Amino acid sequence: DADVTQTPRNRITKTGKRIMLECSQTKGHDRMYWYRQDPGLGLQLIYYSFDVKDINKGEISDGYSVSRQAQAKFSLSLESAIPNQTALYFCATSDSGRMGTQYFGPGTRLTVL
Amino acid sequence: KQEVTQIPAALSVPEGENLVLNCSFTDSAIYNLQWFRQDPGKGLTSLLLIQSSQREQTSGRLNASLDKSSGRSTLYIAASQPGDSATYLCAVRPGTGGFKTIFGAGTRLFVKA
Repeated sequence: DADVTQTPRNRITKTGKRIMLECSQTKGHDRMYWYRQDPGLGLQLIYYSFDVKDINKGEISDGYSVSRQAQAKFSLSLESAIPNQTALYFCATSDSGRMGTQYFGPGTRLTVL
Repeated sequence: KQEVTQIPAALSVPEGENLVLNCSFTDSAIYNLQWFRQDPGKGLTSLLLIQSSQREQTSGRLNASLDKSSGRSTLYIAASQPGDSATYLCAVRPGTGGFKTIFGAGTRLFVKA
């Protein structure tokens, strides 16, 4: 089984709809991240969480919110989706050490019409 | 502000060729540099991580070098195979502190059989 899973894997929705992307991990890591990837651009950090009670905004948090329901679960919400949020979304985890490599989920391809 | 650039954006080579992927970064004060492989539908997989005090890392047919003073890293792939076809991402962790990772946009590699 994969260490970091994301659901759904693909989603097509309409402008104005509320969307939730979910991420679960079995690695036991404290830190979890949400990234977005657009064609021709590097991954951009949306939100990150160092533990269940810690939530922080990344570079591009506007239009997004997150919830850390448990150490193993970190969900990303688009309250009112818009077309320029069409992208590939990745969840990642790492341990608390500074050396910690990030482990990525398979991604969710979101299309907002 | 740290920026990471990867050239070329796409590369097509015949099987068996040795090839070099390039990564440049604007701020030489880095903690480490990492190369990832991205396959469609499978997320990112870490290939090699070079600490700021190191000059290179090797894993099988892969060799990554780091020259902090010039702000460059290269990923050398020996005897390329069709299975090497993927997008390769370079990512830098700033040395000024923190955990944030700055990603390049990637090089899309296609190895022809």
